[in-house]
Amino acid sequence: LAKTTQPISMDSYEGQEVNITCSHNNIATNDYITWYQQFPSQGPRFIIQGYKTKVTNEVASLFIPADRKSSTLSLPRVSLSDTAVYYCLVGDVEAGGTSYGKLTFGQGTILTVHP
Amino acid sequence: GAVVSQHPSRVICKSGTSVKIECRSLDFQATTMFWYRQFPKKSLMLMATSNEGSKATYEQGVEKDKFLINHASLTLSTLTVTSAHPEDSSFYICSAGGGEQYFGPGTRLTVT
Repeated sequence: LAKTTQPISMDSYEGQEVNITCSHNNIATNDYITWYQQFPSQGPRFIIQGYKTKVTNEVASLFIPADRKSSTLSLPRVSLSDTAVYYCLVGDVEAGGTSYGKLTFGQGTILTVHP
Repeated sequence: GAVVSQHPSRVICKSGTSVKIECRSLDFQATTMFWYRQFPKKSLMLMATSNEGSKATYEQGVEKDKFLINHASLTLSTLTVTSAHPEDSSFYICSAGGGEQYFGPGTRLTVT
C-alpha cells in the first residue's frame, strides 16, 4: 500500500478555506485517494474519495493533479467543529482487489480551527 | 450512510481477564470487517481482517492467540482480548464496507 505524507498540523480561523496537501509518490494505477476525518475518541468518518482531477461533495473538494502523486483536500469556510485529525489514504477500492477495504493510516494532519 | 456499532463503548478489566468487543453492521451485510487499534495521539493501526465463515487474517506482529476474532454472521464480528495486560489498554475500532469504509465509534479498553 502506498505511503502518504501530510503536514503534522495546521491552524486556521473560522470562515477560512483550508487546504491540506498529501503526498503519495508511489501511488499505484489501481489506487484511489480517500480522506477521513477523526474526532477524539471516535471512529474515523469518510469525507471524500477520488481517482483523478477534481471531486466535490457537500463537505469538501478533492484536487488530484494529472500525475496523481499528490492530492489536496479543500474544506470551504471551516468552523470550530472542523477541528479534527484528517487522514489521507491511498489504496485499491475496487471490489476483488487484494487490499479491498484494508486501510493503512498515516500520521494524519491535526487541524485546529480558531475563533 | 451505513452504520457500524460497537459494544461496549468503554470497558475496564483486571489484568489477566478476557474482554470481548462486538462490532455490528446495522444496515448492511459485511463478509469482511477490519479491526484497528489506536494508542493516544497516534494513528490507527490495522490489527486483522475478519472474514465471515473463515479464519481471520492478522497483520504482522499481532498475536492471533491473544486477539481472538470471530465472524460468525454477516453482521457481527467479535474481538476477544485474552489474558489482558495493561499494555493492551487502547482504543479499538472496527470497520466494514467497501471502497468507503464505515467505522464503528470505538471501544476504550483499560486494563488495570
